[in-house]
Amino acid sequence: DVKVTQSSRYLVKRTGEKVFLECVQDMDHENMFWYRQDPGLGLRLIYFSYDVKMKEKGDIPEGYSVSREKKERFSLILESASTNQTSMYLCASKQGGETQYFGPGTRLLVL
Amino acid sequence: GDSVTQMEGPVTLSEEAFLTINCTYTATGYPSLFWYVQYPGEGLQLLLKATKADDKGSNKGFEATYRKETTSFHLEKGSVQVSDSAVYFCALSDQAGTALIFGKGTTLSVSS
Repeated sequence: DVKVTQSSRYLVKRTGEKVFLECVQDMDHENMFWYRQDPGLGLRLIYFSYDVKMKEKGDIPEGYSVSREKKERFSLILESASTNQTSMYLCASKQGGETQYFGPGTRLLVL
Repeated sequence: GDSVTQMEGPVTLSEEAFLTINCTYTATGYPSLFWYVQYPGEGLQLLLKATKADDKGSNKGFEATYRKETTSFHLEKGSVQVSDSAVYFCALSDQAGTALIFGKGTTLSVSS
């Protein structure tokens, strides 16, 4: 079974802090994704990566950056957290076909 | 651009009732279509998918048929259980087949 893990289930941070969200997959998948999920808005794509050190902006990249130094790990970085970044963050991965496999999510609260 | 529209929730049903959650899409070309489910406190799981017109995806008693003529992929289940209470997302693959475009989600609540 594909396993996608995220470093934290819950995080509380202060405005202006730098925040790292980590995602690891164990199936050697090429593609990895970061989404945020907000009530009434569904899932929106922040960034994705199709290979090590490669990244593409999604629909809402502003205020975020990403890092993919190793194939299995994809990090989402909030350079200076703001209250409007309070959300559920979901990581996903896939290989070749279109089915994405999701992690359990990180619920981030920015105070 | 491509988009997915699914019915607003919440949907509240009694156990053993029939379920339909409507999903329609707008897309260029012939995307693959998906239903994902999110149980409370968890990430999304693939429920079923269909890759071409007239395909029927099915899993755990849920079904959905890819209807090109009506651009729809409605989710159905003949008899829901309390354990089906979750948020259901309809999605399609983007033109490059790389990312997924999701609907806003429909919350289903089933009571005994």
